[in-house]
Amino acid sequence: EVQLLESGGGLVQPGGSLRLSCTISGFTFSNYAMSWVRQTAGQGLEWVSLLGTGDGDTFYADSVKGRFSISRDNSKNTLYLQMDTLRAEDTAVYFCARGRGRYKPESRTFDYWGHGTLVTVSS
Amino acid sequence: IQLTQSPSSLSASIGDRVTITCRASQGISSSLVWYQQKPGKVPNLLIYAASTLQSGVPSRFSGSGSGTDFTLTISSLQPEDFATYYCQQLNAFPLTFGGGTKVELK
Repeated sequence: EVQLLESGGGLVQPGGSLRLSCTISGFTFSNYAMSWVRQTAGQGLEWVSLLGTGDGDTFYADSVKGRFSISRDNSKNTLYLQMDTLRAEDTAVYFCARGRGRYKPESRTFDYWGHGTLVTVSS
Repeated sequence: IQLTQSPSSLSASIGDRVTITCRASQGISSSLVWYQQKPGKVPNLLIYAASTLQSGVPSRFSGSGSGTDFTLTISSLQPEDFATYYCQQLNAFPLTFGGGTKVELK
């Protein structure tokens, strides 16, 4: 059974940092692109970042570029999102999501999602 | 690429045929997917490549379109279909979602 479990969310002051983790099971992690998607309370979905299976295969939303960094440790079956210089508008539930495959377009279609971790940026 | 969904919400009855549209600000070929999200749950992939049903999704769901105009149709609305539906384009980064369409019981 495919499972994705996020952790690392919490309350942080503006300008602060957090690192989110997403630990997976039930599939061969190294074979799949992975993404982070966020959702504000009662609002829609916003894609944040994608990490492919190859070196340098990273993409970011304009709203987080230069502040967030996505990475993976295939030996630990874990995806990360390092979030720096956090702003109030980054407050959201952050989901990790699996791409359907390794390559476009499958890598950009999300077939499994974690249950999310809440990040609150407030003083 | 901006995606505009319409309507933003609709009220329908069990058994109704429901159609949701998604318009892209530029052509995206068939690089569009649809998700369903129920309250308190995570999004669930319904359709990919604009018209291909994801495994396990009931056949009352269908998708069509290419270029800039896409539709999601539920042929006969069931109680478990009351949810919010999102389109997403995968043609170019940044990946973007539509604003969502909430389907409510009339």
